[in-house]
Amino acid sequence: AIQLTQSPSSLSASVGDRVTITCRASQDINSALAWYQQKPGKAPKLLIYDASSLDSGVPSRFSGRGSGTDFTLTLSSLQPEDFATYYCQQVNTYPLTFGGGTKVEIK
Amino acid sequence: QVHLVESGGGVVQPGRSLRLSCAASGFTFSRYAMHWVRQAPGMGLEWVAVISYDGSNKYSADSAQGRLTISRDNSKNTLYLEMNSLRVEDTAVYYCARETGWKAGLYYYVMDVWGQGTTVTVTS
Repeated sequence: AIQLTQSPSSLSASVGDRVTITCRASQDINSALAWYQQKPGKAPKLLIYDASSLDSGVPSRFSGRGSGTDFTLTLSSLQPEDFATYYCQQVNTYPLTFGGGTKVEIK
Repeated sequence: QVHLVESGGGVVQPGRSLRLSCAASGFTFSRYAMHWVRQAPGMGLEWVAVISYDGSNKYSADSAQGRLTISRDNSKNTLYLEMNSLRVEDTAVYYCARETGWKAGLYYYVMDVWGQGTTVTVTS
């Protein structure tokens, strides 16, 4: 199975900060990567698909980049509602796999 | 309004069985592949299984094979997860999710609609 390694596993940031989360795949997955946001007690929410395409209704402060094995999710200006856990997911090959998650906390 | 509602979770002893359901509404269920994803307490997301729009193709995680079986009934707009020989490590919140599918001429295997989840606790 393809392994996804997210870093950091957690970070503390302030409102207005620029935040970047990295996801590295154990083998080439082209651009078949998605990012999800999950808040405590809630279901995950799709943010980005195909590595860089913003899902409908997702604010433009979220952006994704990358292809092959290295990907990033960037929040250009952190808002109070962005404090959550973020997961990457590869959809290139079954079994589908998720990264371990990055918890974004308030500094 | 697109909606997925899971049900069937509960507390069960190791070795017993359980069937989860996911009722879909607000979209043409029979046109979409569907997934189950689970999350153990305090842990990350784990993909469990997928079933094609017509039920003809299924894939599952190694941890699920032989014990957790995905199925669907398009006449009832419902997705199922049959869980047999349950283990303590199957304890989790189970989410059903819709696969995005065709969008602007391309097919996407990501999950764009999720249910609220149903909790399965396996304990003696």
